[in-house]
Amino acid sequence: EAQVTQNPRYLITVTGKKLTVTCSQNMNHEYMSWYRQDPGLGLRQIYYSMNVEVTDKGDVPEGYKVSRKEKRNFPLILESPSPNQTSLYFCASSFGYGQGGSPLHFGNGTRLTVT
Amino acid sequence: GENVEQHPSTLSVQEGDSAVIKCTYSDSASNYFPWYKQELGKGPQLIIDIRSNVGEKKDQRIAVTLNKTAKHFSLHITETQPEDSAVYFCAASTYGNNRLAFGKGNQVVVIP
Repeated sequence: EAQVTQNPRYLITVTGKKLTVTCSQNMNHEYMSWYRQDPGLGLRQIYYSMNVEVTDKGDVPEGYKVSRKEKRNFPLILESPSPNQTSLYFCASSFGYGQGGSPLHFGNGTRLTVT
Repeated sequence: GENVEQHPSTLSVQEGDSAVIKCTYSDSASNYFPWYKQELGKGPQLIIDIRSNVGEKKDQRIAVTLNKTAKHFSLHITETQPEDSAVYFCAASTYGNNRLAFGKGNQVVVIP
């Protein structure tokens, strides 16, 4: 089954404790992206990757890191989480946008709480 | 960059009635306009999309219309059912641009 898999689904942590949210897709997509969803703010892009070893900042990259060492994986790293990073996070993938648009496939989300 | 706005933020409709959500965009070069549906506890899922060379597209009970002159596009849901209750996001992107700009989302509630 074609899917984007995020882990974990729920995560509660404390300020400053490094964490990684994993994302994997099995559709051989070139494009992958991370979003955060907050009430009243919709979906905001954190980082995206056009291909292996190619990443770029989205609208809200501060406090986050990503890496794309393999085509299928795109982990989101919070080196020193803070309470304002409490949010619902989504990973998504697609064949790419360079051709004028390609449907995004989303994972089921990771709800992160930083205390 | 592209700015996408959605109206209204919340929409309640009686089962069987139609629902319309409108989005406006700022970049006249945008040429791809998808709509995503997000059910509780799940990620957004593409339900329909339209490209700038088409004015309308239908898929069973849902349709999307695009007005390039006015820079707005709308989602139409006919004969609404309880399972249509969800958050709907519109988005826009431009040829050669690697990013999709999302609206803030609309909560649609279908009242049985």
